[in-house]
Amino acid sequence: QVQLQQWGAGLLKPSETLSLTCAVSGGPLHGFFWSWIRQTPEKGLEWIGETDLSGRTPYNPSLEGRVTLSLDTSKSHFSLILTSVTAADAAMYFCARGRRAARLYFDLWGQGTLVTVSS
Amino acid sequence: DIQMTQSPSSLSASVGDKVTITCRASQSIPGYMNWYQQKPGKAPKLLISAATNLQSGVPSTFSGSGSGTEFTLTISSLQPDDFATYYCQQSYTTPRTFGQGTRLDIK
Repeated sequence: QVQLQQWGAGLLKPSETLSLTCAVSGGPLHGFFWSWIRQTPEKGLEWIGETDLSGRTPYNPSLEGRVTLSLDTSKSHFSLILTSVTAADAAMYFCARGRRAARLYFDLWGQGTLVTVSS
Repeated sequence: DIQMTQSPSSLSASVGDKVTITCRASQSIPGYMNWYQQKPGKAPKLLISAATNLQSGVPSTFSGSGSGTEFTLTISSLQPDDFATYYCQQSYTTPRTFGQGTRLDIK
């Protein structure tokens, strides 16, 4: 059974860097794309970006310049880096697996990591 | 960005009721529509992909329809486990975008 297990620092100060990792267990990295999505009560669900083994890594333009996604095949995990965080980046962050069968969809999600930004 | 507008934003219904949630895209997204269910404290769960494809393990009381810019999620007979928040999501282009959610609670 494929699972996503995510972790990372949950409390940050403004201007710090958010770093989250998501481990993929029980299944391959190839053939899928790997995404990060965040959620707040105010803005709802917001797609951050996605990456796959082709190296293609589109990001949400609203975060362009601050966000980097990477994929580590040796460890079977993928990561999110978001620099210069502000209170607006406080959210529940989810990693998710994307699938392109017929159409593209997110069929597997991590458990979520709550990120708070406070001085 | 493609804007996704769900309606209603909330509704109250009873066990056994039929409910329909609508999602409108700001431009045509030919079949690139997915529906998710989310319960408090949990990650979203995929219910329907490509507008009409029911995911394995999802009850057949759930169905999806639509094309172009207008899509619907229908629950034909509400069960106690169905009370949750539902989101639509387009995957036609990046950035992938979600509707604001429809909260379904017990009347």
